[in-house]
Amino acid sequence: EAGVVQSPRYKIIEKKQPVAFWCNPISGHNTLYWYLQNLGQGPELLIRYENEEAVDDSQLPKDRFSAERLKGVDSTLKIQPAELGDSAVYLCASSLNRDGKLFFGSGTQLSVL
Amino acid sequence: GENVEQHPSTLSVQEGDSAVIKCTYSDSASNYFPWYKQELGKRPQLIIDIRSNVGEKKDQRIAVTLNKTAKHFSLHITETQPEDSAVYFCAASIAGAQKLVFGQGTRLTINP
Repeated sequence: EAGVVQSPRYKIIEKKQPVAFWCNPISGHNTLYWYLQNLGQGPELLIRYENEEAVDDSQLPKDRFSAERLKGVDSTLKIQPAELGDSAVYLCASSLNRDGKLFFGSGTQLSVL
Repeated sequence: GENVEQHPSTLSVQEGDSAVIKCTYSDSASNYFPWYKQELGKRPQLIIDIRSNVGEKKDQRIAVTLNKTAKHFSLHITETQPEDSAVYFCAASIAGAQKLVFGQGTRLTINP
C-alpha cells in the first residue's frame, strides 16, 4: 500500500512568487493534515480536513496561505505571495479518522530566496 | 492549549547502551502520546504510541512509559544500534491524531 505522497519534493522560488504543494493521502484516510516544520523543530499544524471540510484552520495564515481538498481526497496548499520566512518543510499527513494514527508524507522543502 | 516540552535536545550514547528521552505535557485531558522517528531528509515515522489507559507499552527494543499524575512520558530504547540515530519527536493530544502537539525533538546519535 502506498503511503502519503507529496510533490514536489523540493521547490526554490523568489520572494513574492506564488507556490503550490500537492498531497495524496493514504487510500481510505478521511482526515488530511498540512503541517509546517521549521529546521530543528517539531511539526506544527496548519490545517486539518475531514473529508472535504476544513475543520481546523486556526493556525493557517489566511492572508497568504490557502488550501483546498476537492472531492475529499487530494489536497493542495498554496502560498501567495511567498516570503523569506516561509522557507521550511511542508508536511502532509493523513489518518483513517480524526482519532486514528497519523502518517506523514516525505514533505516539500521550500526555499524562498 | 497543550504545550509539550522534550528533553534532552541532543543525546549521544555508545552502541549497545540504552537511551531515554523524556517529555512533559501541560493539558491533563491529553490521552494519546505517540513517538515519531525522523531520519535526515525523510518523513517522520510513527514508532510507538500509548494511550492514557495504560502505563507502559513495549515493542521489541522500544518502550514508552506514561505517568499521568506527573504529566510526563518517556521513550526508552535498549541495545541501541547505529540505525537508531535520528531525531525523535514526542507528541500529545486530547483526541488521537486531530490535535497533536509535538515536542521540539531530540537528536539521538549512536556512537559505534
